[in-house]
Amino acid sequence: AQKVTQAQTEISVVEKEDVTLDCVYETRDTTYYLFWYKQPPSGELVFLIRRNSFDEQNEISGRYSWNFQKSTSSFNFTITASQVVDSAVYFCALSLNSGYSTLTFGKGTMLLVSP
Amino acid sequence: DAMVIQNPRYQVTQFGKPVTLSCSQTLNHNVMYWYQQKSSQAPKLLFHYYDKDFNNEADTPDNFQSRRPNTSFCFLDIRSPGLGDAAMYLCATSRDPGTEQYFGPGTRLTVT
Repeated sequence: AQKVTQAQTEISVVEKEDVTLDCVYETRDTTYYLFWYKQPPSGELVFLIRRNSFDEQNEISGRYSWNFQKSTSSFNFTITASQVVDSAVYFCALSLNSGYSTLTFGKGTMLLVSP
Repeated sequence: DAMVIQNPRYQVTQFGKPVTLSCSQTLNHNVMYWYQQKSSQAPKLLFHYYDKDFNNEADTPDNFQSRRPNTSFCFLDIRSPGLGDAAMYLCATSRDPGTEQYFGPGTRLTVT
C-alpha cells in the first residue's frame, strides 16, 4: 500500500519569507507519479505539478520549486518570497503508473501567509 | 476553456431525502472521480469510472451511488443522507488512471 506523509500540519510565515512544505512517501512500486495540489479557501483543488519516478530533475516555476529525492523518498515544495495569495492548504499525493491507480493524498499542510 | 463543472455549488437537503449531485467535463477525459472532503481533512475517494468501468472504494457506504451516462457527465446519488454526510463533494477527471486529476469547484452539501 502507498502512503504519503506531510508532517507539517500548519505553517505561518510573513510575506516575502521563503517556505518549504515537506512530503515523504512510501511505495514498493518502482514507477509512480508524485503530485502537489493547492486548495485555497474557495475550496477548489488546483493541480500544480506532476513528477515521474524516473525523473529526479528539480523543477522551478516562477516562485515555486520542487525538490524530488528518491534516496529519501521526499518531494518537497518551496515557495520563494511568499505572498498572501499563497495562503491555502497544500496536498502532496502519489499514484502508481499501473492499472486503475488512484491518488493517495497526504493530510495536507495549511500555509498562512500574513502581510 | 476546458473545465470540470459541478452543480449546484451549494445543496441543502433534509435528513433521509435523496439528493443528486452532478458533474460535467469538457476535457474529454476517460476517468471521472467523486471525492468526499470534510473539514480539515484530505479528499476521500468514493468511486471512479474509467470509461464505463465502475470502481467502488471498499469503504464507500452503500448509501452512495454513482452514474456515468456518457463521457461528459457523472452523477453522485445519496439515497438517504444522514447528518454525517454533510461535506464538500468534489468531482475530478483525468485523462488516464494515475495521471493528474483536474477538480471541479465542489458542491457543499448541508443536511438538516
